[in-house]
Amino acid sequence: GAVVSQHPSWVICKSGTSVKIECRSLDFQATTMFWYRQFPKQSLMLMATSNEGSKATYEQGVEKDKFLINHASLTLSTLTVTSAHPEDSSFYICSARATSGRARTDTQYFGPGTRLTVL
Amino acid sequence: DAKTTQPPSMDCAEGRAANLPCNHSTISGNEYVYWYRQIHSQGPQYIIHGLKNNETNEMASLIITEDRKSSTLILPHATLRDTAVYYCIVRVAGNTGKLIFGQGTTLQVKP
Repeated sequence: GAVVSQHPSWVICKSGTSVKIECRSLDFQATTMFWYRQFPKQSLMLMATSNEGSKATYEQGVEKDKFLINHASLTLSTLTVTSAHPEDSSFYICSARATSGRARTDTQYFGPGTRLTVL
Repeated sequence: DAKTTQPPSMDCAEGRAANLPCNHSTISGNEYVYWYRQIHSQGPQYIIHGLKNNETNEMASLIITEDRKSSTLILPHATLRDTAVYYCIVRVAGNTGKLIFGQGTTLQVKP
């Protein structure tokens, strides 16, 4: 149990294009999901918290108009990187905090990550 | 959330117990201690968490001192696949609690 998937696992795009990353909790429901970014040899940095059916809360310094987050259901959140530039190249990881289903309640489970490369 | 302090790196011989320390001297009474690990180029994996009592599951044991200012994660029989970065995080339970990652401890299990 407690599986979180991300799609795609890696993506290469041209500068100026937008990229959408999906995060799904497969066997549990999650009212709250989180998006992190990780640069090489660094720790995970929390970007935003999304609650199902409401607007995401962004951490200080994260541009909400650049990183669009939608959390339309209890099992799906999406992150769209708009007008991507090379400096947006990073490892993006989502997590879901279990509220019901086959997972330990209130525990965050992480997806495998999405490697974004912007040329 | 309270900050944690972990050694940047540790080595452990394969088959031996790996004891990973964590200091969280400013932890609040309603904050839990969580442990995650991240194997290279993967998402973090949940290991264990606790409030004040020692905890054990199929992966590890968590020992929390009586004053809750420090804890130790114990991998009883480390294998090469346990080589990873281990993160100790304190977090308030419920909707307001977020996992804020520090630098963690890089555990290298050697044959």
